[in-house]
Amino acid sequence: QPVLTQPPSSSASPGESARLTCTLPSDINVATYNIYWYQKKPGSPPRYLLYYYSDSDKGQGSGVPSRFSGSKDASANTAILVVSGLQSEDEADYYCMIWPGTVVFGGGTKLTVL
Amino acid sequence: QITLKESGPTLVKPTQTLTLTCTFSGFSLSTPGVGVGWTRQPPGKALEWLALIYWDDDKRYSPSLKTRLTITKDTSKNQVVLTMTNMDPVDTATYFCAHSKVVVGMDVWGPGTTVTVSS
Repeated sequence: QPVLTQPPSSSASPGESARLTCTLPSDINVATYNIYWYQKKPGSPPRYLLYYYSDSDKGQGSGVPSRFSGSKDASANTAILVVSGLQSEDEADYYCMIWPGTVVFGGGTKLTVL
Repeated sequence: QITLKESGPTLVKPTQTLTLTCTFSGFSLSTPGVGVGWTRQPPGKALEWLALIYWDDDKRYSPSLKTRLTITKDTSKNQVVLTMTNMDPVDTATYFCAHSKVVVGMDVWGPGTTVTVSS
């Protein structure tokens, strides 16, 4: 079972951008997988944000604003979720996921909006 | 509109078998590319994926829990059932089911059901 590594915490101020990372193990090439991102708030189910494979193959969840966007850094074997124009309501845990037959979640990043 | 709802016991004793039902509407589990998955979240911990069943009855399980899990579907009732054997207090968690679609991912989730394992 691969391990997706996410920093446990991140913070940014309202209006700024937050860049959340998800690093894949070296034996799994980020370029070959769809990366899924979820937002999780206490007492609520996970909210599907988007999937990202490439700039020409990506999808946004229903009702998810475009200020949530995905990308990849192939040199670092890392997937990235950018939340721009941060709002207080964006404070939550964020999880990345891959689906190579079975499903694997990262450990999650707690985003604090200062 | 796709909706899902989990149901099952809120309290189980150690060593017992947990049976959870996901009842859904707004889609058919006989449509190619569609599946229903289960994920849990223990208090204060990360999401943990458990199992997934596809429209063609293909079943996938978490390698670490595979020996304890069984997932089945009843297409006519729009239900997916997850059983987990030999429950332990560490299995205390909120359990979620979700609509899944190939490529798109697990895009619509149920509200979750909380299960406590205690004697």
